[in-house]
Amino acid sequence: EDQVTQSPEALRLQEGESSSLNCSYTVSGLRGLFWYRQDPGKGPEFLFTLYSAGEEKEKERLKATLTKKESFLHITAPKPEDSATYLCAVLGYNQGGKLIFGQGTELSVKP
Amino acid sequence: DVKVTQSSRYLVKRTGEKVFLECVQDMDHENMFWYRQDPGLGLRLIYFSYDVKMKEKGDIPEGYSVSREKKERFSLILESASTNQTSMYLCASREGGRDQPQHFGDGTRLSIL
Repeated sequence: EDQVTQSPEALRLQEGESSSLNCSYTVSGLRGLFWYRQDPGKGPEFLFTLYSAGEEKEKERLKATLTKKESFLHITAPKPEDSATYLCAVLGYNQGGKLIFGQGTELSVKP
Repeated sequence: DVKVTQSSRYLVKRTGEKVFLECVQDMDHENMFWYRQDPGLGLRLIYFSYDVKMKEKGDIPEGYSVSREKKERFSLILESASTNQTSMYLCASREGGRDQPQHFGDGTRLSIL
């Protein structure tokens, strides 16, 4: 069964304390992996798409990487404004174009 | 910039009412989606549409229907609202390729009393 698991469920960091969020997936043929950021009371905001193992994407303090089994979202020197829930979603070749979402990691960055 | 607009941020309705949630996108995207998001359950796909007047069931279509009469507009209909349909409803759109990202609106928080 295709599935996506994100860990940890919640992460508390001090400002400037770098860390990583994990997205493990099981899918029969990965077509794409998507990272989103969601602020409270808002819809998910698209961050990155990764298509193949070894690929990396960067945006400001965020860097996403991909292997054949998991993706990491690395946050370097985070700031309080990086606090949000980060969602991972996977698209496989046998899913008819439907995304499978993980449960998300709630990140809190304290000043 | 991508813009997906949901007509209401908050909505309160009563059990048994027929409820319409509206979503409009301005990117000329072919594909549109309706999800609900609940704590502990994540995002679940209700219905999606690949073209005008076309619709496909997602994972949890029971109790819902959709309408897509124009390319830019995708409506979600709760035929007879029930309390277990209290949720955050999210609309998304996507341009042609399946491996392109979906872009979301800000959601409608619906409460059924």
